[in-house]
Amino acid sequence: ETGVTQTPRHLVMGMTNKKSLKCEQHLGHNAMYWYKQSAKKPLELMFVYSLEERVENNSVPSRFSPECPNSSHLFLHLHTLQPEDSALYLCASRLISGREDSGANVLTFGAGSRLTVL
Amino acid sequence: AQSVTQLDSHVSVSEGTPVLLRCNYSSSYSPSLFWYVQHPNKGLQLLLKYTSAATLVKGINGFEAEFKKSETSFHLTKPSAHMSDAAEYFCVVSAPTGFQKLVFGTGTRLLVSP
Repeated sequence: ETGVTQTPRHLVMGMTNKKSLKCEQHLGHNAMYWYKQSAKKPLELMFVYSLEERVENNSVPSRFSPECPNSSHLFLHLHTLQPEDSALYLCASRLISGREDSGANVLTFGAGSRLTVL
Repeated sequence: AQSVTQLDSHVSVSEGTPVLLRCNYSSSYSPSLFWYVQHPNKGLQLLLKYTSAATLVKGINGFEAEFKKSETSFHLTKPSAHMSDAAEYFCVVSAPTGFQKLVFGTGTRLLVSP
């Protein structure tokens, strides 16, 4: 285990459903991320919560809604999704410190939540 | 803008033979570079990282990578493949500006046969 826990591991939902993905870390990290992993495509960063500030990828549809109630927990709320949203959703965390522009601080990933939209 | 190109989508080797996974990067400054591995049904795990110290970087499980600025490459190697090395490998470059702080390659799937 990496220290980043994602639930559920698998989720099947209809297009009219509302569901949520959960991520939890107790590594003392102060930044958390949602990534989307689709076949044959690079990982796509969706949302970042860093030092309590949210940054988002403007290309992510509004049917995805993140929530970060504290530095250890991150949610991704899903509603009226489309079949093309089926993917592996990965949560990651890291400790922001020092030379942020170097990218030297490493991400720790969870195992992912496999989402299938029917 | 920063980018990475993983030259092979699939690499097949026999157990006990060397592994070479190729990665070329593009960056307008001195980047940090990473290799991550993803085993089936698992998240990504850091194998190694280069951050402008030694150009030959050793990682976990016997992997290493060499940063070659003149060739803009950061290829991943291992002298002898093991069955447990079968996984997907991602080359990643840091990006200090913009939303995507880390830019991922599309991945190389390593297949290891007995």
